[in-house]
Amino acid sequence: GENVEQHPSTLSVQEGDSAVIKCTYSDSASNYFPWYKQELGKRPQLIIDIRSNVGEKKDQRIAVTLNKTAKHFSLHITETQPEDSAVYFCAAKRSQGNLIFGKGTKLSVKP
Amino acid sequence: DGGITQSPKYLFRKEGQNVTLSCEQNLNHDAMYWYRQDPGQGLRLIYYSQIVNDFQKGDIAEGYSVSREKKESFPLTVTSAQKNPTAFYLCASSTRGGLDTEAFFGQGTRLTVV
Repeated sequence: GENVEQHPSTLSVQEGDSAVIKCTYSDSASNYFPWYKQELGKRPQLIIDIRSNVGEKKDQRIAVTLNKTAKHFSLHITETQPEDSAVYFCAAKRSQGNLIFGKGTKLSVKP
Repeated sequence: DGGITQSPKYLFRKEGQNVTLSCEQNLNHDAMYWYRQDPGQGLRLIYYSQIVNDFQKGDIAEGYSVSREKKESFPLTVTSAQKNPTAFYLCASSTRGGLDTEAFFGQGTRLTVV
């Protein structure tokens, strides 16, 4: 069935460094790839998304890249801050389909 | 706050009891979803509904039931057949199909079996 693999499961960086989280997906018909941030005890919230007709999207310190041929997409966070510490989930979706989530990456940013 | 509300925030269930988790949205979304979140497991889909009076099983539907009598509401019942119900449950909604398919999540219900 449809599957999304996410790596790494945990990531620890120093404040100011960059963080990269990678996901691969199995369904070649997927065309929407959101990233969610979940702080402890709170709901997941969308931080950035990308659609299959573009290869890269940026929003201030965060960016997402998509390689449709290889079926993988990545989240890049630059100049990390302690408030970036959270669990990040990638997901993939096809039209008329459901979001399939990765297992999450726990990011810790050390001051 | 935001359009999709889950209640209660915390719920305790005795073994052998059924319990119902509430999810209401005022975003006029057609699609609604229930996910279960366990540590290290990500978000696993229990049931989803793309339209009123219709719903489909997700990956882990055994021991759960749902109804979708109104567009705004998608309650989840955890039955006594669910052998390991202790988890964090998240409800979400989105537009059906199209390009703008961001899913909005409720604040979650933490269910504990006592």
